[in-house]
Amino acid sequence: GESVGLHLPTLSVQEGDNSIINCAYSNSASDYFIWYKQESGKGPQFIIDIRSNMDKRQGQRVTVLLNKTVKHLSLQIAATQPGDSAVYFCAENQAGTALIFGKGTTLSVSS
Amino acid sequence: DTGVSQNPRHKITKRGQNVTFRCDPISEHNRLYWYRQTLGQGPEFLTYFQNEAQLEKSRLLSDRFSAERPKGSFSTLEIQRTEQGDSAMYLCASSIGTGRNTEAFFGQGTRLTVV
Repeated sequence: GESVGLHLPTLSVQEGDNSIINCAYSNSASDYFIWYKQESGKGPQFIIDIRSNMDKRQGQRVTVLLNKTVKHLSLQIAATQPGDSAVYFCAENQAGTALIFGKGTTLSVSS
Repeated sequence: DTGVSQNPRHKITKRGQNVTFRCDPISEHNRLYWYRQTLGQGPEFLTYFQNEAQLEKSRLLSDRFSAERPKGSFSTLEIQRTEQGDSAMYLCASSIGTGRNTEAFFGQGTRLTVV
């Protein structure tokens, strides 16, 4: 079946750097995308979402970019902090269906 | 705290026993989802409800698994005759469902260990 995947399983950055986490999706019919952050032993935490009629959306310190031509999604975290260390998942769906998750990228932030 | 509550947080059971988990979604959310997550993997979709109707079930949901949402509020997930392969984190999420999807908020999960 079609699924969402991430390019890199791990990403290590220094505190204060900008982080970019990438995701490729395969279902061209998907019209809604979410980035989640998951800390050890906890449920996924919503970070930011984007609909397919947009190509960029900004939140607090985070930006999501959507490139529908190549079916690529990215999450940019500005001025990464140790508290940003977690596993990040992208998820996608179409209206009326459940979210489908990729495998995740582990972000490690060192001081 | 997202407002989605799951109980229990942890469950250890012997192989062959039945277990039941409960999820209380955010009160105004009409959609409720169950996912399973194993170590190092993303959450895998199991089933979802809109109000009390179960609209979609994954083929991961074997006949030993059953989910209910009798009054369109809380939901239960039961696993009968548990197997060691059922050991995982079981996550519940809820959202407001209209024609378009909206963000789903997850609970903290129930960690099941089958020994």
